[in-house]
Amino acid sequence: GAGVSQTPSNKVTEKGKYVELRCDPISGHTALYWYRQSLGQGPEFLIYFQGTGAADDSGLPNDRFFAVRPEGSVSTLKIQRTERGDSAVYLCASAQGAGNTGELFFGEGSRLTVL
Amino acid sequence: AQRVTQPEKLLSVFKGAPVELKCNYSYSGSPELFWYVQYSRQRLQLLLRHISRESIKGFTADLNKGETSFHLKKPFAQEEDSAMYYCALSRLNTDKLIFGTGTRLQVFP
Repeated sequence: GAGVSQTPSNKVTEKGKYVELRCDPISGHTALYWYRQSLGQGPEFLIYFQGTGAADDSGLPNDRFFAVRPEGSVSTLKIQRTERGDSAVYLCASAQGAGNTGELFFGEGSRLTVL
Repeated sequence: AQRVTQPEKLLSVFKGAPVELKCNYSYSGSPELFWYVQYSRQRLQLLLRHISRESIKGFTADLNKGETSFHLKKPFAQEEDSAMYYCALSRLNTDKLIFGTGTRLQVFP
């Protein structure tokens, strides 16, 4: 596809359930980012992949959150034992490489609602 | 710690009026500063970056290291400029962005 694709676009789940959010980056982009955006806030950094490895996971709030990118393309953000406070829009972005262009290409986001 | 502050949640102006969206940052090193924009029902996208010293859609932003500011300016606002604007910072040689909380710009006809 032409842009970053995220699925599902909307996810409603119950407290305590497990959730997976998927991101398909722009073809050829080696860098992939996950951000979380709560209502009224700017995007908050969660984790950054360069290729298959997590180069920086300092933004993950706790060990309930985990992300993988096994083949250096598609990434999955996994949230265990969801809590109401996890409700937010989860944004994925990709970039051409580990450069300093500052241009991240964002997906439309996955809106997670935990009841 | 790195931080980006956008003091205004909402800025409303009439078409043709000048616009200035404020952004202040805190960072101990040499930052790279950016403005991202999100139009209604569209994705977040890069508007401009300070290193390019470019003007995009009539917007400019000057990095003032003394005041640690990177305010976004446009001399004559247009209705199509109505959007959410985010200031962002990255460290040298990384693409990891730290965003501010955003300012909603409303341009009335």
